[in-house]
Amino acid sequence: GQNIDQPTEMTATEGAIVQINCTYQTSGFNGLFWYQQHAGEAPTFLSYNVLDGLEEKGRFSSFLSRSKGYSYLLLKELQMKDYASYLCAVMDSNYQLIWGAGTKLIIKP
Amino acid sequence: TAGITQAPTSQILAAGRSMTLRCTQDMRHNAMYWYRQDLGLGLRLIHYSNTAGTTGKGEVPDGYSVSRANTDDFPLTLASAVPSQTSVYFCASSDSREVSDTQYFGPGTRLTVL
Repeated sequence: GQNIDQPTEMTATEGAIVQINCTYQTSGFNGLFWYQQHAGEAPTFLSYNVLDGLEEKGRFSSFLSRSKGYSYLLLKELQMKDYASYLCAVMDSNYQLIWGAGTKLIIKP
Repeated sequence: TAGITQAPTSQILAAGRSMTLRCTQDMRHNAMYWYRQDLGLGLRLIHYSNTAGTTGKGEVPDGYSVSRANTDDFPLTLASAVPSQTSVYFCASSDSREVSDTQYFGPGTRLTVL
């Protein structure tokens, strides 16, 4: 079966750095997406990785290792507005997105 | 531009009743999707459409039907609602389904079936 695993919840301090991990087992691989979802709102696109390595976009970076079935999202200089759930999703060989349950990130002042 | 709109924002529905959730996009995207989101689970695909006039079944299609008469609209119908269909429903669209295009989401419809 297809499976995406990510921690249910993480806590970090404002101004700090946090890394949210995602491991996956899917039928084929056509890229990995990270989305942010604030409570009661729609998921919004953060990043896309299809090749191994690090993609940096401002305070957010995303890393992919296809051989290990592993990705992480790195958030630097945490702000209170980063309090949200972070969803990892893998596009399989049928171009269907398989979603993880999301990681709720709690920010402490 | 509005992007994707969904209606209603929320609804309480009696079991056995039918309901149509509306979704409209103004981005001229070819592909559209319906997901449900339940606590502790990832988004699950109900139905999708690669382009106007075509639809396909996702992971959890039972109890739901869709149509795609034109590019902009992709309504989701529950013919006879059951309590297990209580969920938050998100409509999404992308330029194409056959490549790894980013999906953009509507604001969601919170449905409670009693």
